[in-house]
Amino acid sequence: DAGVIQSPRHEVTEMGQEVTLRCKPISGHDYLFWYRQTMMRGLELLIYFNNNVPIDDSGMPEDRFSAKMPNASFSTLKIQPSEPRDSAVYFCASSPPGPLRGHNEQFFGPGTRLTVL
Amino acid sequence: GNSVTQMEGPVTLSEEAFLTINCTYTATGYPSLFWYVQYPGEGLQLLLKATKADDKGSNKGFEATYRKETTSFHLEKGSVQVSDSAVYFCALSRMDSSYKLIFGSGTRLLVRP
Repeated sequence: DAGVIQSPRHEVTEMGQEVTLRCKPISGHDYLFWYRQTMMRGLELLIYFNNNVPIDDSGMPEDRFSAKMPNASFSTLKIQPSEPRDSAVYFCASSPPGPLRGHNEQFFGPGTRLTVL
Repeated sequence: GNSVTQMEGPVTLSEEAFLTINCTYTATGYPSLFWYVQYPGEGLQLLLKATKADDKGSNKGFEATYRKETTSFHLEKGSVQVSDSAVYFCALSRMDSSYKLIFGSGTRLLVRP
């Protein structure tokens, strides 16, 4: 079975440009998470969705960041305009449904390494 | 609030040495506890988990026991291999409606031949 798919794997862009990161969760999973990982701040949860609806976006750093999930098999994280401090690895993760929600693991994608020059 | 504290890394060991990575947590209620591992250039993957007090999670020779009295979930392995070199994250799952994983800062393990 395919795991969580992210694209692109690497993105290099210049400050001020729009960046769009993409994620395809595992089929049948109803939760989707976006994380950012940096050396300084570690792993941060940016936003998560349940059944395509954003539940908590309190981790989104500022209005330059936006995320959408138009259907159960696709999500995007957009940064506009991008800044050098946005350079990080961005992970998407998904989680399956089930009665014991807190026991369920999250399945991570391979990440997108973003470099903003 | 809910939080996870891990020992600072990096941890450097020789092959076949015994490994312990300490993890303590602060949480209301009875969270589930997890260890995730991140190999170079990859995303995190679940290593093991425990969902209630005194449960022992185990996988690939790694073990961790959910100790409610000491609020700990230390990761152990009796004999490490070079291929175990990675970053290890302890995490807890909040049991309120938010369903978030709270991660520790990660501990880098380097195993030398």
